[in-house]
Amino acid sequence: GNSVTQMEGPVTLSEEAFLTINCTYTATGYPSLFWYVQYPGEGLQLLLKATKADDKGSNKGFEATYRKETTSFHLEKGSVQVSDSAVYFCALAYQKVTFGTGTKLQVIP
Amino acid sequence: GAVVSQHPSWVICKSGTSVKIECRSLDFQATTMFWYRQFPKQSLMLMATSNEGSKATYEQGVEKDKFLINHASLTLSTLTVTSAHPEDSSFYICSARGPGPTYNEQFFGPGTRLTVL
Repeated sequence: GNSVTQMEGPVTLSEEAFLTINCTYTATGYPSLFWYVQYPGEGLQLLLKATKADDKGSNKGFEATYRKETTSFHLEKGSVQVSDSAVYFCALAYQKVTFGTGTKLQVIP
Repeated sequence: GAVVSQHPSWVICKSGTSVKIECRSLDFQATTMFWYRQFPKQSLMLMATSNEGSKATYEQGVEKDKFLINHASLTLSTLTVTSAHPEDSSFYICSARGPGPTYNEQFFGPGTRLTVL
């Protein structure tokens, strides 16, 4: 079956640091890949997505590239802010959505 | 576009009572909606897939008689937690499969926090 593996958190960074959250997947077919963000007490918000190999999704300074050869979709941001503190979920969609376990990011001033 | 709402956003009830949670797609028709449960500090667990006009498909281990799902229209699905108990306390999130070109994407509601006393 399909699965998503994310790096475990929590990840604690200082403001303006570089962020990488690793995500790898296994899937049959050709899934779409997503990063969702969940702020405390709220539902999930789509952060970015990529629908085919080599696509790069980007939003709010975050980027992730759909790498079919390494089955990865790592999330990156060049300079994090305190407001980026949240839980980040990697997910793939192929008929159903399969989520990773989530990575909590804490950015300290 | 593609906005999903949930109501209520939070609810507190007594043990043994039933609670209904609504999930609406506000600006598109959703033939398929999904219900998830999220425990504290954990990922989302898919409970069931709700198809308009037909019975929901439940994931293994989810009690059909306890979590009743009705998808009576293309914009509304409801989850009823029957005879709720404290262990049912959780964050329930619905999503709807997107229209047209976004068919492979799900749009999530803001979630409903259920607390059973």
